[in-house]
Amino acid sequence: QKEVEQDPGPLSVPEGAIVSLNCTYSNSAFQYFMWYRQYSRKGPELLMYTYSSGNKEDGRFTAQVDKSSKYISLFIRDSQPSDSATYLCAMSSILTGGGNKLTFGTGTQLKVEL
Amino acid sequence: DAGITQSPRYKITETGRQVTLMCHQTWSHSYMFWYRQDLGHGLRLIYYSAAADITDKGEVPDGYVVSRSKTENFPLTLESATRSQTSVYFCASSRSGPYNEQFFGPGTRLTVL
Repeated sequence: QKEVEQDPGPLSVPEGAIVSLNCTYSNSAFQYFMWYRQYSRKGPELLMYTYSSGNKEDGRFTAQVDKSSKYISLFIRDSQPSDSATYLCAMSSILTGGGNKLTFGTGTQLKVEL
Repeated sequence: DAGITQSPRYKITETGRQVTLMCHQTWSHSYMFWYRQDLGHGLRLIYYSAAADITDKGEVPDGYVVSRSKTENFPLTLESATRSQTSVYFCASSRSGPYNEQFFGPGTRLTVL
């Protein structure tokens, strides 16, 4: 069983729709929870990160973490064609020496249609 | 330009050949990472480095060698390339600390024939 599970999609929605992306995880040692966005043939870019259970909002994006259920979500409101990308959840654990090791989900491919 | 760069961006090689992928960052980040990205597996950590001359294995290190003689460079070498190493390789860097964002390079698309 993978430490992080994510539905690969693809997910196709009309412009303006609310999008819900989800990941589950099994490792209780994960401390930070991130969402990366990756456009085609580009490197991933950090979209949002959270530490505690609850919601964190940034513009049209809301990240939600439920540590008791080991479940994280990303909601995109009023989705736009420019949101079409692959969304990767990532969980961090502490490395010896103080850095962070990231464990990624497989990514969900999202297409927002006009 | 400031940031993190990778070279080459595309590489085709043959089975058994040695290949080196380069990564360079201008932020003086202490941590650097190499990932490979494959369909169905997402990004998987190959090796990471906490500082110059300090490296450690990640999830999938077999068949790869790394070195870090300077803080800004972190080359990844495939000593004898195999078809299973066909993938997209991403380098990343971050500062040390409880949480710091990992910044990713643009990737190298490697095909092993």
